[in-house]
Amino acid sequence: AQSVAQPEDQVNVAEGNPLTVKCTYSVSGNPYLFWYVQYPNRGLQFLLKYITGDNLVKGSYGFEAEFNKSQTSFHLKKPSALVSDSALYFCAVRDEAAGNKLTFGGGTRVLVKP
Amino acid sequence: DGGITQSPKYLFRKEGQNVTLSCEQNLNHDAMYWYRQDPGQGLRLIYYSQIVNDFQKGDIAEGYSVSREKKESFPLTVTSAQKNPTAFYLCASSIQGLGNIQYFGAGTRLSVL
Repeated sequence: AQSVAQPEDQVNVAEGNPLTVKCTYSVSGNPYLFWYVQYPNRGLQFLLKYITGDNLVKGSYGFEAEFNKSQTSFHLKKPSALVSDSALYFCAVRDEAAGNKLTFGGGTRVLVKP
Repeated sequence: DGGITQSPKYLFRKEGQNVTLSCEQNLNHDAMYWYRQDPGQGLRLIYYSQIVNDFQKGDIAEGYSVSREKKESFPLTVTSAQKNPTAFYLCASSIQGLGNIQYFGAGTRLSVL
């Protein structure tokens, strides 16, 4: 069975500092990995995905993520955080055995302070 | 949220009542999904449909029902058998394929009176 872990419930960072949101996964086959962001009382918005190829994936709003197969991780990063990046971030994984089903992590709340 | 419309935005359910949440998409996607989101938890899959007139149970289907009579519509009914229905419900759609993105609606917040 596939699973995703986001070990931090909340991440606090000062505006302008680097932001990292951690994600580790477990799948039986090749992983398809996604990051989504959710603003209060809204649906999820897609940020980026890893399917194959380069381990460093660039996405929307200056975010990027690094796929590390040996550590089964897919951490989300942003070099310089903005106050507007404050939101709830979800990592998700899909593997070939699970078909179209996505499994989500529990989410990490990011608070960027001015 | 563009392309997927969920209604209503807020819904209240009385004891023993069934309620239906609407989800409509104009993205021509084959696959549609319903998720439940509780505070402090991630999304859990209730039901999904990969094609018209077909759907499968997700991880927490008990107390819920769905239909998929049209490609663009995937309504979710929260039945009286669902004893803890208070949650934020999210609908999503995607084209088929493992690497394809799921696009989400703005959600419906369901509360019990």
